[in-house]
Amino acid sequence: SYALAQPPSVSVAPGKTATITCEGDDLGGLSVHWYQQRPGQAPLLVLYDDSSRPSGIPERFSGSNSGNTATLTISRVEVGDEADYYCQVWDSELDHPNVFGSGTTITV
Amino acid sequence: EVQLLESGGDLKQPGGSLRLSCAASGFTFSTSAMSWVRQAPGKGLEWVSTINVSGRKTYYADSVRGRFSITRDNSKTTVFLHLDSLSVDDTAIYYCTKGGGSLGFDSWGQGTLVTVSS
Repeated sequence: SYALAQPPSVSVAPGKTATITCEGDDLGGLSVHWYQQRPGQAPLLVLYDDSSRPSGIPERFSGSNSGNTATLTISRVEVGDEADYYCQVWDSELDHPNVFGSGTTITV
Repeated sequence: EVQLLESGGDLKQPGGSLRLSCAASGFTFSTSAMSWVRQAPGKGLEWVSTINVSGRKTYYADSVRGRFSITRDNSKTTVFLHLDSLSVDDTAIYYCTKGGGSLGFDSWGQGTLVTVSS
């Protein structure tokens, strides 16, 4: 079955840039979505279709996807960005078309 | 404003059954795919199931296929997840989500807790 790999944790100082990777076979051919989950809360979609931001998500959140790696970049990191982040893909060709990555904890 | 309100979570014994409900409002339910995603205690997100707009097409994770069933009632803007043959590994918060196709899960409920224990 299709798998997405993320680093377990990333540590970043306030005001700096955080980068989270998501790796999967030929991931660049799929649309990648990213979710933020703060402790005790439901997940929140922060990027869809590789790099599009839903309404209300700050421009500090950006993304890219090429080859086997998708990347979520958070610029000018704030304490409030401390959370778990998950990548996710949808592939209609798969028998189970939705797959989540293992998640990355960002510590600020 | 999109609202997804889950209900039905409970404590069940292994082998038991349960039905989760998700009442949706604030968007055109009949034109949105709907999904369930779960999260075991201290673990990551796991996609469980997706149903298309008409209800005729459904998708399941391998871990639940044959035991869980997703349905929807567009007239009542509600999506259901029927859980059978429960095991301790099904213990999780179950989130109802809007979407599940090419644009991701764009709205989430607050979740309902299912605990399977003897």
